[in-house]
Amino acid sequence: SQTIHQWPATLVQPVGSPLSLECTVEGTSNPNLYWYRQAAGRGLQLLFYSVGIGQISSEVPQNLSASRPQDRQFILSSKKLLLSDSGFYLCAWSVLWQGTYEQYFGPGTRLTVT
Amino acid sequence: AQTVTQSQPEMSVQEAETVTLSCTYDTSESDYYLFWYKQPPSRQMILVIRQEAYKQQNATENRFSVNFQKAAKSFSLKISDSQLGDAAMYFCAYREDSGGGADGLTFGKGTHLIIQP
Repeated sequence: SQTIHQWPATLVQPVGSPLSLECTVEGTSNPNLYWYRQAAGRGLQLLFYSVGIGQISSEVPQNLSASRPQDRQFILSSKKLLLSDSGFYLCAWSVLWQGTYEQYFGPGTRLTVT
Repeated sequence: AQTVTQSQPEMSVQEAETVTLSCTYDTSESDYYLFWYKQPPSRQMILVIRQEAYKQQNATENRFSVNFQKAAKSFSLKISDSQLGDAAMYFCAYREDSGGGADGLTFGKGTHLIIQP
């Protein structure tokens, strides 16, 4: 069965510090991968998605970047965090199954920028 | 751009009763998918139910069913025989069907469902 991992689970970082959040998927090959952010009291906003190694699409211009160095690894980064980067970050994956794609989410990382 | 609107920030229902959560969306596409996700206090997003826009039949998953009105762009979730474990945030989501399957989801702001024992 497929499993998705995210770490760290929680993170407190000062403004201006760098960021690296990691997401890995097990039990599947060549998944589509996604990064979403959930601000307090809001729905999820798509940040990036990737259909393959080195292929990244950005949905929202911002202070963040993403990379996919391996098939089942997706990394979210920032060189200098802003207060507005605080939120709950969710990684998701999808593959074609029974004629459709459904997205499944990881446990998330709660980021607080102080 | 597609938008998803959930007009009920919070709903409350007695245990064992039925509750309906509302969702409307705006799109110019004819092929798309709609979803309801549940987010309990653990914040893990759990897929509840999916509806393909080309299907006229409403999707059903055990106690969960949807009322999909394509012309009205409405997609409500009905939970029958509500249980305490149903208490959570519920998000309506839309995905375009571009054929490649890589499209991200557009989410509403969510409805907080409270189950009264």
